[in-house]
Amino acid sequence: DTEVTQTPKHLVMGMTNKKSLKCEQHMGHRAMYWYKQKAKKPPELMFVYSYEKLSINESVPSRFSPECPNSSLLNLHLHALQPEDSALYLCASSPAGGWDQETQYFGPGTRLLVL
Amino acid sequence: AQSVTQLDSQVPVFEEAPVELRCNYSSSVSVYLFWYVQYPNQGLQLLLKYLSGSTLVKGINGFEAEFNKSQTSFHLRKPSVHISDTAEYFCAVTQGAQKLVFGQGTRLTINP
Repeated sequence: DTEVTQTPKHLVMGMTNKKSLKCEQHMGHRAMYWYKQKAKKPPELMFVYSYEKLSINESVPSRFSPECPNSSLLNLHLHALQPEDSALYLCASSPAGGWDQETQYFGPGTRLLVL
Repeated sequence: AQSVTQLDSQVPVFEEAPVELRCNYSSSVSVYLFWYVQYPNQGLQLLLKYLSGSTLVKGINGFEAEFNKSQTSFHLRKPSVHISDTAEYFCAVTQGAQKLVFGQGTRLTINP
């Protein structure tokens, strides 16, 4: 199984809603990542978990809250988002904790629209 | 800090023609370089990577890239493109552990 899965595929939410994005991998990878990608732009790193501990937070606003319940699962909790947070949210994983030689494997993304 | 420059934002090519997508990086230390492809409404898929060794790297779907340290380049090539190669292509370099820095992307459009 060489796949990173993300649910839901699409999400529409209001600015007062609370929702969560889910990412799962069963490759035994020990690093997991959240990226945000705006239209016609490259992905931007948001968070990195290495061995289930948060290792990087790229100064992301607190309305985004990551969670790594176990080594296979990564969540992104959303609360009080703004319309400018509308984007494609990509999850990725890499084998051994995120060393610089590691390949990151990406999921298909969740397309989020904030109204 | 490492950075990546993709010199062309858009590249239109006729089907069965060769293509080169250009990527330059800036780094004073060892680099690990990647090319990813993103098809419309999808995530990123690894095409190929350079970690060490042979400077000519072969990837999936007939793509290859050449690492040139003196010119700090990692250009992507394919000798004959297909309609199905229409996609966004991203060059990326690692910036320390756990960080991947992407170029701005090149949109490859294949015309029949």
